[in-house]
Amino acid sequence: DAKTTQPPSMDCAEGRAANLPCNHSTISGNEYVYWYRQIHSQGPQYIIHGLKNNETNEMASLIITEDRKSSTLILPHATLRDTAVYYCIVFGRAGNMLTFGGGTRLMVKP
Amino acid sequence: GAGVSQSPSNKVTEKGKDVELRCDPISGHTALYWYRQRLGQGLEFLIYFQGNSAPDKSGLPSDRFSAERTGESVSTLTIQRTQQEDSAVYLCASSLGVFSSYNSPLHFGNGTRLTVT
Repeated sequence: DAKTTQPPSMDCAEGRAANLPCNHSTISGNEYVYWYRQIHSQGPQYIIHGLKNNETNEMASLIITEDRKSSTLILPHATLRDTAVYYCIVFGRAGNMLTFGGGTRLMVKP
Repeated sequence: GAGVSQSPSNKVTEKGKDVELRCDPISGHTALYWYRQRLGQGLEFLIYFQGNSAPDKSGLPSDRFSAERTGESVSTLTIQRTQQEDSAVYLCASSLGVFSSYNSPLHFGNGTRLTVT
């Protein structure tokens, strides 16, 4: 299964866009990129996922590079409630039960 | 309830006792997953069900751990003769579970916090 690499932590000012990068250079053609986040003492929350095209929903946008070796999660207007650990996961092979790595701890500051 | 429900939310038990953790998935989700998260650490996959079948049990930490699912709905994770190292948050997730396509997000419950004293 493709592994992902994320920075361990990032800061963002409240109201600004938060751009969280993820490298997945060994991704294969049928693997999706998923993003989850986990706020303290809660279960992981699904944010967005994509295969090749950029995706947008009410929570965030996902930008996937043309070669699919990296992606960026964008929170367009970060709030204090977006402070969480964000996980980038590649999911696409039977038996790959969504392996979570270390994630990026995003701290949104007033 | 629209989400994955887990009970109890907290469980404190004495070392050596058995515990049962319950998961109610989202209605219509055929796939169900169990994960464990120790304090300050990432998620550790334990087992998944497609329908009522668990094709791969290799993620279970020891033979003290078992899980079952009935009616393609509720699942129970049982830990026998609990040990202190079993203390963790046990998370359940469900998805539409079409394994020929991976375009199916997992939705997690808020977990059961197990403390073994």
